[in-house]
Amino acid sequence: EDKVVQSPLSLVVHEGDTVTLNCSYEVTNFRSLLWYKQEKKAPTFLFMLTSSGIEKKSGRLSSILDKKELSSILNITATQTGDSAIYLCAVDPLSGSARQLTFGSGTQLTVLP
Amino acid sequence: ETGVTQSPTHLIKTRGQQVTLRCSSQSGHNTVSWYQQALGQGPQFIFQYYREEENGRGNFPPRFSGLQFPNYSSELNVNALELDDSALYLCASSLGLTTNEKLFFGSGTQLSVL
Repeated sequence: EDKVVQSPLSLVVHEGDTVTLNCSYEVTNFRSLLWYKQEKKAPTFLFMLTSSGIEKKSGRLSSILDKKELSSILNITATQTGDSAIYLCAVDPLSGSARQLTFGSGTQLTVLP
Repeated sequence: ETGVTQSPTHLIKTRGQQVTLRCSSQSGHNTVSWYQQALGQGPQFIFQYYREEENGRGNFPPRFSGLQFPNYSSELNVNALELDDSALYLCASSLGLTTNEKLFFGSGTQLSVL
């Protein structure tokens, strides 16, 4: 059974801090790893990492995939209050044709002014 | 905003009742997936529909069923509701089943079973 574990479960920082969120996974056949940001209800897509694209960056956010360690990190530099959200990590296994994502429980990030 | 819309936004039902949740996928997307997110947990895959056919199912009992229509909108039906069915139900759409396509999520339906 595929498994995703995220740490820490929650994190409280002040504006301007840098944070690192962790995701480790066990999957029978790996296709990709995805990061989503969930504010209120709808998860919004951040990054997709694959064997051919192990590092992604967008503004203050960046993510790296370590296929050897079966893990990924999400870095946020110069945090802002608008970064407060739940950050979800998911793996997309190579099993048949269905896009059946397995999610972790998320990291609740709170950024204080 | 993703273009994926779900209705209703909130719903309260009692144990044993049946419920239908609806999802309109983003324009041009032919694949719809449904996820259940319990409080404090990540979303769990229920099933996926591709071109009106069920194309994969997670570990959910048969009382969870679905449909996809020719316009690619979708319904999730849950029969014989149980208290543990209380959760946020998320719909996600994508174009096809290729590995490069992102899933776009709707804002969900919050279901409370009393």
